[in-house]
Amino acid sequence: DAKTTQPNSMESNEEEPVHLPCNHSTISGTDYIHWYRQLPSQGPEYVIHGLTSNVNNRMASLAIAEDRKSSTLILHRATLRDAAVYYCILRDVRAPSSGSARQLTFGSGTQLTVLP
Amino acid sequence: DSGVTQTPKHLITATGQRVTLRCSPRSGDLSVYWYQQSLDQGLQFLIQYYNGEERAKGNILERFSAQQFPDLHSELNLSSLELGDSALYFCASMRQVMGAGANVLTFGAGSRLTVL
Repeated sequence: DAKTTQPNSMESNEEEPVHLPCNHSTISGTDYIHWYRQLPSQGPEYVIHGLTSNVNNRMASLAIAEDRKSSTLILHRATLRDAAVYYCILRDVRAPSSGSARQLTFGSGTQLTVLP
Repeated sequence: DSGVTQTPKHLITATGQRVTLRCSPRSGDLSVYWYQQSLDQGLQFLIQYYNGEERAKGNILERFSAQQFPDLHSELNLSSLELGDSALYFCASMRQVMGAGANVLTFGAGSRLTVL
């Protein structure tokens, strides 16, 4: 399975943008890029995903490099509540929507600290 | 509330004992995944069920077992407990993201197991 590489930790000031990088140099053409985050003492939660084009939702934006070997999760204005571990994960789109035997494999992620 | 319900939230037991963790997936989700998160460790995939059938196994010990029932709730059974089994156990169910061709996991709040 293709793997991802993320920095262990990052810091950001409150109300400033945060760019969380992820390298996935062995990504295949059928891998979706997923981002999850885990707030302290909570289960992980889905943030965003994309295949080739940049994506935006209410939580964040996902910028995907043209060669797809890297991506960046962008939090436009970090708040203290965004302090969490952010996981970048690859998921093969060929996995059927139901009954897939392909699990999401979580790495160690990036611990984001937001400074007031 | 993510819609995935896990019970109990906290459990303290002794070595050698057996416990059962329960998970109710989001309404309409057929797949259930179990993950273990030990202190200072990432999320380790244990096992996946789809509509009552086992679909994938990860790093699940032989002392652990799981099943998914006809009403789609799932139980993770941990037996002959050891100190090292102390961890957070997360259940997640899979939801198809409309129109995107990719699936996302919705996690429960977890069950914290402490083995003394």
